Amino acid sequence: RKEVEQDPGPFNVPEGATVAFNCTYSNSASQSFFWYRQDCRKEPKLLMSVYSSGNEDGRFTAQLNRASQYISLLIRDSKLSDSATYLCVVNQNGGSQGNLIFGKGTKLSVKP
Amino acid sequence: ETGVTQTPRHLVMGMTNKKSLKCEQHLGHNAMYWYKQSAKKPLELMFVYSLEERVENNSVPSRFSPECPNSSHLFLHLHTLQPEDSALYLCASSHARWAGGPNEQYFGPGTRLTVT
Repeated sequence: RKEVEQDPGPFNVPEGATVAFNCTYSNSASQSFFWYRQDCRKEPKLLMSVYSSGNEDGRFTAQLNRASQYISLLIRDSKLSDSATYLCVVNQNGGSQGNLIFGKGTKLSVKP
Repeated sequence: ETGVTQTPRHLVMGMTNKKSLKCEQHLGHNAMYWYKQSAKKPLELMFVYSLEERVENNSVPSRFSPECPNSSHLFLHLHTLQPEDSALYLCASSHARWAGGPNEQYFGPGTRLTVT
């Protein structure tokens, strides 16, 4: 089983749509969880951290289910500018300085 | 955004060349990282430095040699690379885990390396 697994997509949605991405992780000892977005040929940029209680930032809502080792990202009222690849990221925080394990990403394309 | 800068942005080198990639962070972080991103593969962690001490080396070939002279600067020295080393090399920084608080990583724009 891959350490962090995501549906690669692409998800092609119209403007204004609601879209959800899912992610599963294999290491139950994982401590921190993040969603990053990466535009074509650019660096990953932090979108939001994911907290146990779930958290919301404007149109974006992240959820964590530790029992199922599952993370989700919901985007409401999609904008053209949301088109990007969304990376699910898990920090195992084991041993010394923890490191981030990246999923391959889910590609989102928002169309007019 | 200039929190984490990397130079050069693009690099083409022959297999016998020696070159260095540079990263600088202006975020007051004390941990720095090198990642490799190849086409259609997830980001791969190469090296981790915490307080200028290398704390992780993910089985990276010795033709890649990192250097961290202080908490703001990180280098990746390259020599006798192979064509399969062509990729986007990303630097990132964060607060060290021992310091507590948020440990999100912030990335530089990357160096796109082509080995001919």
